[in-house]
Formats: sequence, C-alpha cells, structure tokens
Amino acid sequence: NAGVTQTPKFQVLKTGQSMTLQCAQDMNHEYMSWYRQDPGMGLRLIHYSVGAGITDQGEVPNGYNVSRSTTEDFPLRLLSAAPSQTSVYFCASSYPDGVGYTFGSGTRLTVV
Amino acid sequence: GENVEQHPSTLSVQEGDSAVIKCTYSDSASNYFPWYKQELGKRPQLIIDIRSNVGEKKDQRIAVTLNKTAKHFSLHITETQPEDSAVYFCAASNSGGYQKVTFGTGTKLQVIP
Repeated sequence: NAGVTQTPKFQVLKTGQSMTLQCAQDMNHEYMSWYRQDPGMGLRLIHYSVGAGITDQGEVPNGYNVSRSTTEDFPLRLLSAAPSQTSVYFCASSYPDGVGYTFGSGTRLTVV
Repeated sequence: GENVEQHPSTLSVQEGDSAVIKCTYSDSASNYFPWYKQELGKRPQLIIDIRSNVGEKKDQRIAVTLNKTAKHFSLHITETQPEDSAVYFCAASNSGGYQKVTFGTGTKLQVIP
C-alpha cells in the first residue's frame, strides 16, 4: 500500500514548456485533488475530481488542466509554464466524505 | 463556498507550555474538521479530526474543541516539545457529500527549547 504517489519530486522548466505532474493512489479513493503551496501561504486548490470522468475547478485553475480516466490516476498538466507557476504541488485523495485526506510527497517545480 | 480563517499566523512558545490555534468557518453545513501538521519540506499529515456531533476530542497531548454555534474550532497542544515545531493547518468540509476540503492559511508554531 503506497498511498499517494507523486512524480517527479523535482522539476525545472523553461517558460513556455509544458509538462504533466503525475499522481496515483492505491487506496480506492474516489476524491482526488491538486493543491499548490507557495512560501508563506497555505494550500490553494487547483482542480479536484469526485470520481473517474468527473473534474471541477478549484480557486486557482488558470494555466492547468486535469483529467480522470481511472480511479487511481489524476495527472495535472501545465499547458505553457510561467514563472508564476513556480511552487510546490501536492496531490491528495480521500473517500467522498473527505475523511482520511492523504497527501502525496509533493513536486517542487521551478519555472525559469 | 466555505471560508476558513485561522489565527495566529505565527506562534512561539517555550518548551513545556501549551499552544492554542483557532479557526472559524463560514458554512454551517460543514461537519468534519481535520487538523494537519506540516514539517519543513514534508507533506501535510493528518494529526487529529473531529466531527460536528462531538464537542471535544483528545489524543495524548493534542486536543481539538468545536463550537458549532459560534462556528469555531481550536487545536490545543499541551506540554509542547521541540518536535511540535511545524506549520499547522485547520480544515473544514461537509462529509455528507462530495464536498472539497477547505484549508485555513496555516499557523507556524515554534517551540523554543
């Protein structure tokens, strides 16, 4: 039981490049979400999904896309990286009622 | 939507003293209130949670209290130790459906040896 697995752990991108942050969970959680965390700030919700085929926007969705083709995977795509997207990204999952919310280890992204 | 406010943003205590972090929420439908601890460079981890049908819950040196009428809940850490130094986040959600978890802005706790 690996929990929530995020890859990569570190990434440096050039402005304008695109990439996908991977997130996978093996707990059969229906609810998955992506957060970004900037220095001195809390966790801001980017996108979330309540099940396969269903996604919705959080408070800071611009510049990011998601899809949920399986229960296990919830990748986050950066369409055209910008320096403002330099941040630590966390994926999290839980049962539908939010109980047992589990975070991945994070991806530290730098856009130059 | 739900809005969670958390205070203070920073807190310094002497080792052995108690620490209290307070949160308020706006949505009266919220009924599940977890607390997370995030050590430097690590992921947030759940340390304690409380449901709305309970007024207080304890786990060793950690306790959480909930006042549904006033829409506020608090984290109490007694006999603080240096390893309690971290950022603490409160959160609120409605566990009755597919409701996203809303986090507070975090409290950086420093325990001074």
